[in-house]
Amino acid sequence: EDQVTQSPEALRLQEGESSSLNCSYTVSGLRGLFWYRQDPGKGPEFLFTLYSAGEEKEKERLKATLTKKESFLHITAPKPEDSATYLCAVQPNDYKLSFGAGTTVTVRA
Amino acid sequence: DTAVSQTPKYLVTQMGNDKSIKCEQNLGHDTMYWYKQDSKKFLKIMFSYNNKELIINETVPNRFSPKSPDKAHLNLHINSLELGDSAVYFCASSRSDGHYGYTFGSGTRLTVV
Repeated sequence: EDQVTQSPEALRLQEGESSSLNCSYTVSGLRGLFWYRQDPGKGPEFLFTLYSAGEEKEKERLKATLTKKESFLHITAPKPEDSATYLCAVQPNDYKLSFGAGTTVTVRA
Repeated sequence: DTAVSQTPKYLVTQMGNDKSIKCEQNLGHDTMYWYKQDSKKFLKIMFSYNNKELIINETVPNRFSPKSPDKAHLNLHINSLELGDSAVYFCASSRSDGHYGYTFGSGTRLTVV
């Protein structure tokens, strides 16, 4: 069965303090790995898709990387508006997205 | 112009009642999904439809029945509601190949009392 484990569960950062979130996975045949951001009371918002080991994608202060067993979401010099829950999901060959439990990031000014 | 819209946003109902949640997408996607997010924030897939055809049906009680009248709509009907059905239900849509991710609605918070 596909498994997605995210760590840490929660992360409290000072504004400007860079850090990384981890997503480790086991899946039979990875079509893609997805990162989403979820704000309280809202649906997940798509950030990135990574398809193969070694791939990297960037968007503003966020950078996602992928290896054969895990993905990292790096947050560089975060701002309070980066506070959210970040969700990782894997898509195996049957197209079904399986989500991790998320990492809740709080950035203090 | 909302891409994936769900109604209602909040639903409070008594045990034993029957209720429906509606979802519509205007992105031209072929595939739509229902996900359940429990109190621990875990998102779990329930159903998926591709061009009105059911393609994923996870282990969900048969009190839950999805219906897709056309590829832009996917509704969820729940019979005989139980306390454990309380959760946030998200509708999502994507291209058939899942590229560019799924687009989620803003969720329906269902509370069964």
